[in-house]
Amino acid sequence: GGIITQTPKFLIGQEGQKLTLKCQQNFNHDTMYWYRQDSGKGLRLIYYSITENDLQKGDLSEGYDASREKKSSFSLTVTSAQKNEMAVFLCASSRLGGDAEQFFGPGTRLTVL
Amino acid sequence: GDQVKQSPSALSLQEGTNSALRCNFSIATTTVQWFLQNPRGSLMNLFYLVPGTKENGRLKSTFNSKESYSTLHIRDAQLEDSGTYFCADDTNAYKVIFGKGTHLHVLP
Repeated sequence: GGIITQTPKFLIGQEGQKLTLKCQQNFNHDTMYWYRQDSGKGLRLIYYSITENDLQKGDLSEGYDASREKKSSFSLTVTSAQKNEMAVFLCASSRLGGDAEQFFGPGTRLTVL
Repeated sequence: GDQVKQSPSALSLQEGTNSALRCNFSIATTTVQWFLQNPRGSLMNLFYLVPGTKENGRLKSTFNSKESYSTLHIRDAQLEDSGTYFCADDTNAYKVIFGKGTHLHVLP
């Protein structure tokens, strides 16, 4: 087994601010993902990284950057926080393979003032 | 339209009763995941399925790829089963598509 940790758990920022969310996994998984979940809704993919030096855009990448620092860590940056971005950001990881089972972290709740 | 449609959107169950949640896919699907998001927001893996059936305790899930649907059966519902159940189409290389969820409330 393994765990995924996300920091911080709660993030409060000002409109227009650049904000960074971090994710670490100890599954030794190759692939990592960032999702956004708006209140009462499903998850939408922002960015993913198939292997350590890879970065791929998801359906919701505009307004975000991502960085895969090493195999175990994947960061997401909100480039300019907007009030309509109040949401929970979930990190996930999986073994290599497009249909592999994904495991999720506990999430970072973002509030923009 | 939505590629992954879940029904019902919300459900209240008396403790000890049984129910089934459904997930319909509008495109060909080969792999399905079911998750439970608890009231604290944590997503727990329930099932990872290719066509067929899996069972774990009071939960059972079937995936029929020919008819493009999956079901999650809950037997003898308990209070701790409350939360939001998500199904996801895990077919399209790395781009998992989630349904909007079924909000389940188990009543004492």
